[in-house]
Amino acid sequence: DAGITQSPRHKVTETGTPVTLRCHQTENHRYMYWYRQDPGHGLRLIHYSYGVKDTDKGEVSDGYSVSRSKTEDFLLTLESATSSQTSVYFCAISESPRGGNQPQHFGDGTRLSIL
Amino acid sequence: GESVGLHLPTLSVQEGDNSIINCAYSNSASDYFIWYKQESGKGPQFIIDIRSNMDKRQGQRVTVLLNKTVKHLSLQIAATQPGDSAVYFCAENRPNNAGNMLTFGGGTRLMVKP
Repeated sequence: DAGITQSPRHKVTETGTPVTLRCHQTENHRYMYWYRQDPGHGLRLIHYSYGVKDTDKGEVSDGYSVSRSKTEDFLLTLESATSSQTSVYFCAISESPRGGNQPQHFGDGTRLSIL
Repeated sequence: GESVGLHLPTLSVQEGDNSIINCAYSNSASDYFIWYKQESGKGPQFIIDIRSNMDKRQGQRVTVLLNKTVKHLSLQIAATQPGDSAVYFCAENRPNNAGNMLTFGGGTRLMVKP
């Protein structure tokens, strides 16, 4: 396994509350990513990071923010959760593509339910 | 376990047979491709990758074929086992993006009958 820990693994919360999901890696990889996975949509990129304090938006970034203050941690925050953000969230990591592209490796996900 | 997709195409094979899972990609400039396996309740697991300067790559019991002419990728699994039952995704890397980013296909569910 790739040394990626996501926490919490499951969370149930109410609409309007803030939620923070954590991704921790022990591989010292440069790139980290947050995805959401929903039936009928597959994996969609929310935000990604290409280094400490360096982040950028993905395909479905509205309603989400991220922070990366250390190489090993990448946080995803829902400032005010909505029911449409009920999903399974996956973190992924990859090395720098110095010698060509590198695969992304995934954590086991956080199942988030917003009531 | 949870379902990763309610309307996924499904391939059903007999244990011991070979499986072929197909994927069509959209961008002719994509230069790197990956196959992932996802079991219920888990994250996608890397299986095998291939760069666009190759048309075939083999791993343990798996082979990936790339046909750039028709933008088609396939994953062949030899002697399919019950443990191969999962959802399989292809992913492509499109050049000129930052961050080593991938675009994922919708997935195919493989069911292995004992």
